[in-house]
Amino acid sequence: QVLLVESGGALVKPGGSLRLSCAASGFTFSDYYMSWVRQAPGKGLEWVSYISRSATFIYYADSVKGRFTISRDNAKNSLYLQMNSLRVEDTAVYYCARAWGHSYGYLDYWGQGTLVTVSS
Amino acid sequence: DIQMTQSPSSLSASVGDRVTITCRASQDISNYLAWFQQKPGKAPESLIYAASTLQSGVPSKFSGSGSGTDFTLTINSLQPEDHATYFCQQYNTYPLTFGGGTKVEIK
Repeated sequence: QVLLVESGGALVKPGGSLRLSCAASGFTFSDYYMSWVRQAPGKGLEWVSYISRSATFIYYADSVKGRFTISRDNAKNSLYLQMNSLRVEDTAVYYCARAWGHSYGYLDYWGQGTLVTVSS
Repeated sequence: DIQMTQSPSSLSASVGDRVTITCRASQDISNYLAWFQQKPGKAPESLIYAASTLQSGVPSKFSGSGSGTDFTLTINSLQPEDHATYFCQQYNTYPLTFGGGTKVEIK
């Protein structure tokens, strides 16, 4: 079955950096676009970034553009999110999700999430 | 960005009731709309895509309809396990955007 497992969440100070990972299994990882979505505590969902199958196409939400970098390693079935210059408002549970369909925007499977807390 | 507005923000219904949640897009998104269920402390799970197509494995008590700007999620025969927050999401254009959620409680 499709399984996505995020890791790397932690408590970090404003201005700090963190790298999130998402390990994929149960499907051919290199066949799918992937996205990161976040959810601030008690809040709704916010799409963060996507990456195409071979990393040719990458797109970011304006709120993270220039600070976050999405990448993938198809040989390791892994997705990453490098987060720099972190702000308090980046505090959230970060989910990786498999994407397909129109605009590769349908997120059919999600991981369990990893918590990033940005606080001094 | 396309704004997604869900209503109501919360509701309380009895076991066996039929529940309807609506989602309105700020512009035409054709049928590129998905619905998700999120139980407390868990990741969202996909219920419906393309406005009305049931995700594999999702029970037929869930159904979706609509196109353009107005969409509906219906839950038939509400059960205690349906206690969750339900979100809509448009994938017509980027950035992908989500509704604010509807919290469904069981009386």
